[in-house]
Amino acid sequence: GEDVEQSLFLSVREGDSSVINCTYTDSSSTYLYWYKQEPGAGLQLLTYIFSNMDMKQDQRLTVLLNKKDKHLSLRIADTQTGDSAIYFCAEYGSASKIIFGSGTRLSIRP
Amino acid sequence: GAGVSQSPSNKVTEKGKDVELRCDPISGHTALYWYRQSLGQGLEFLIYFQGNSAPDKSGLPSDRFSAERTGGSVSTLTIQRTQQEDSAVYLCASSASATDTQYFGPGTRLTVL
Repeated sequence: GEDVEQSLFLSVREGDSSVINCTYTDSSSTYLYWYKQEPGAGLQLLTYIFSNMDMKQDQRLTVLLNKKDKHLSLRIADTQTGDSAIYFCAEYGSASKIIFGSGTRLSIRP
Repeated sequence: GAGVSQSPSNKVTEKGKDVELRCDPISGHTALYWYRQSLGQGLEFLIYFQGNSAPDKSGLPSDRFSAERTGGSVSTLTIQRTQQEDSAVYLCASSASATDTQYFGPGTRLTVL
């Protein structure tokens, strides 16, 4: 079946940029998403990108899509302690449902 | 209206007992998902309902797990003969369509002793 993969952990110094990477296998993906889960809270949609786009920017967030390599990334500029969370990559494609990665836990060090 | 709600918020049960977890999706949402998140683990897809189509059960880990969605609204996830490895937070999400944003409920924390 289709698969979405992410690294499990990322540690970043406060003020630096964070880059969370994701790879997927479905060449028919049409929508790609980033969700955020803060400690003790539910998942919330951060941003999404259509597969015919290669970049989307929203304030401190930049999403880059390399459709050829099936690689999605989320860049958080000027990372703050409030950005500590688990970030889930997800895609919608040939399976006709949204498939999530396992999540990347972002920790911020002073 | 209100967001996705789930009940109970916490459930402690003994190994071997059956449990039912309930999800009330956002009114009008045709898609409903169940996920499981074990401690320190990622999100695990369990089952997906879309309108009147047959549900996608491909994520159910064993035949002890089943789910229903009555009248296209409320859903119940049933776990029979619970095992300790079933302990996890069970999350429900709904969306207006298969591609739209999924809105997640607060989850049910299941602990099997």
